[in-house]
Amino acid sequence: SQQGEEDPQALSIQEGENATMNCSYKTSINNLQWYRQNSGRGLVHLILIRSNEREKHSGRLRVTLDTSKKSSSLLITASRAADTASYFCATDASGTYKYIFGTGTRLKVLA
Amino acid sequence: EAGVAQSPRYKIIEKRQSVAFWCNPISGHATLYWYQQILGQGPKLLIQFQNNGVVDDSQLPKDRFSAERLKGVDSTLKIQPAKLEDSAVYLCASSLQVRVEKLFFGSGTQLSVL
Repeated sequence: SQQGEEDPQALSIQEGENATMNCSYKTSINNLQWYRQNSGRGLVHLILIRSNEREKHSGRLRVTLDTSKKSSSLLITASRAADTASYFCATDASGTYKYIFGTGTRLKVLA
Repeated sequence: EAGVAQSPRYKIIEKRQSVAFWCNPISGHATLYWYQQILGQGPKLLIQFQNNGVVDDSQLPKDRFSAERLKGVDSTLKIQPAKLEDSAVYLCASSLQVRVEKLFFGSGTQLSVL
């Protein structure tokens, strides 16, 4: 079964705009990760946020985590055409280190 | 450093045939995962190895799927016999240890069952 659910399922924006995608999960976690997948390729790790953290930044990426609501958001600022990809959140139920992926958000950045 | 290697890149078979996928993780990575990704969905964990031992295979359909990781390095995932619903991309990932969370993925094997 899927642990995480991303929202929206698909997002289309203009280059230079910000993109926000959300992830909701069901059980308590050790950490939450975001991955990117370009068409026909494997997943690439973007950022990890631990259960005791509320916000994390990496370059143009900003991730927030609200454990009380069991949700996370990924913000990509000043988007580029190269950001076009599917984005997945992955969570592990506390103590398991078994990473379960969500359903993904398909982002399209128009030049 | 070399990434996670998978082969073949594509495979087309008829239902009821058997198929095998191979994965070579990043050197020194003790943990290896096999995921199944059906078109339009997120990856689903099939099996997780720590060295050559199975950590979790609760989502592996054991009546038709099998996996092994001899010598704790490369791994093979087999399907026998294949069904139409097995059409998917099979992704291999590795991490340094179970408690090192970042996963490194291969490019996957795209399986079409006709």
